[in-house]
Amino acid sequence: DTAVSQTPKYLVTQMGNDKSIKCEQNLGHDTMYWYKQDSKKFLKIMFSYNNKELIINETVPNRFSPKSPDKAHLNLHINSLELGDSAVYFCASRRGQGYGYTFGSGTRLTVV
Amino acid sequence: QKEVEQNSGPLSVPEGAIASLNCTYSDRGSQSFFWYRQYSGKSPELIMSIYSNGDKEDGRFTAQLNKASQYVSLLIRDSQPSDSATYLCAVEPGSARQLTFGSGTQLTVLP
Repeated sequence: DTAVSQTPKYLVTQMGNDKSIKCEQNLGHDTMYWYKQDSKKFLKIMFSYNNKELIINETVPNRFSPKSPDKAHLNLHINSLELGDSAVYFCASRRGQGYGYTFGSGTRLTVV
Repeated sequence: QKEVEQNSGPLSVPEGAIASLNCTYSDRGSQSFFWYRQYSGKSPELIMSIYSNGDKEDGRFTAQLNKASQYVSLLIRDSQPSDSATYLCAVEPGSARQLTFGSGTQLTVLP
């Protein structure tokens, strides 16, 4: 059983389109995150939810909107995609303070 | 100053040698420290966590923490070609709401 699963794994789309990435964890963790990893491997936090409540909302364009229907799911919707949005997006979850993350397999987004 | 800095690399070591990866952090209130390994095209995988000053050993891996110097390191003994990956240092700052990552060090172990 995959602990943190993300879909899709690859996403190729044209500029201006709207797309969603889904994430589900079966670890019973309360906190979930979205990170963006650029071509130089730097992981930058975007959002975090704790038990469906948004607790971190970093400076990202408002074209990005997270949604957490329950504590096991955290989705990311992106409107009006731009070339600069091309990156790998990782979902992660953790049990709580002091614990490391478990990452999903990532979604490689390519905007053409 | 970046919140978490790692030695820039890339780092190459011969098979069987010790690989040393270093990380410094800026938030003195940080309490939890992690090392992740990321193979090309894969997601980061947690390999070590450390919370107290000193050394923590797990197999061929040793994490070292010095809170006074705001420094954490990872030693890989008897390096193997399968250890070739990017190693990410992650720090939980005092706010504890998330982990902050360094930019990673790419390690290549040469057969």
